[in-house]
Amino acid sequence: DTAVSQTPKYLVTQMGNDKSIKCEQNLGHDTMYWYKQDSKKFLKIMFSYNNKELIINETVPNRFSPKSPDKAHLNLHINSLELGDSAVYFCASSQRGGGTGTQETQYFGPGTRLLVL
Amino acid sequence: KQEVTQIPAALSVPEGENLVLNCSFTDSAIYNLQWFRQDPGKGLTSLLLIQSSQREQTSGRLNASLDKSSGRSTLYIAASQPGDSATYLCAAVFGNEKLTFGTGTRLTIIP
Repeated sequence: DTAVSQTPKYLVTQMGNDKSIKCEQNLGHDTMYWYKQDSKKFLKIMFSYNNKELIINETVPNRFSPKSPDKAHLNLHINSLELGDSAVYFCASSQRGGGTGTQETQYFGPGTRLLVL
Repeated sequence: KQEVTQIPAALSVPEGENLVLNCSFTDSAIYNLQWFRQDPGKGLTSLLLIQSSQREQTSGRLNASLDKSSGRSTLYIAASQPGDSATYLCAAVFGNEKLTFGTGTRLTIIP
């Protein structure tokens, strides 16, 4: 069984389009995250949610909007896509919540490779 | 500024040798440190997590150490195998904040 899953795995789209990436975890974790890995392979956190509540919101454009319908899902919606948004986006989850989720091991999904043309 | 650095960026080692991967961090007020491996085109797999109160953690052929005073962590891999080839990332939590990643070391085990 896949612990943290993401869809789609690959996403190719035109500039200006709006797209969503979905993430689901079946580990029963309280905290979920979105990370961006750029072309230089550097990973940086974008958002963190605990029990559907936003905990961490890094300095990302407000074109990026996370949505957590329940604690097992954290989706990422991106408006007006730009060339610089091309990257691999990883979802992750960890056991503990309330901001203390970072104390625990984080489990990552397989990534969504986004290419904006 | 809290940063995590991994040097070298790439390392090649003959199969069977023991090796050490390095990770340094700028803030000794570290909460925990986690080592991951990333295979090409794949996600991250957690290897070991060391809490700030611990000095090392072991899992199979892997041993990770943490020295807060010197701002260093090492990942020791014993009896390396071709299947160990991957990029190894360390990531630290400072205070109670987010995971800050290093840039990784790309390891190649030569058969």
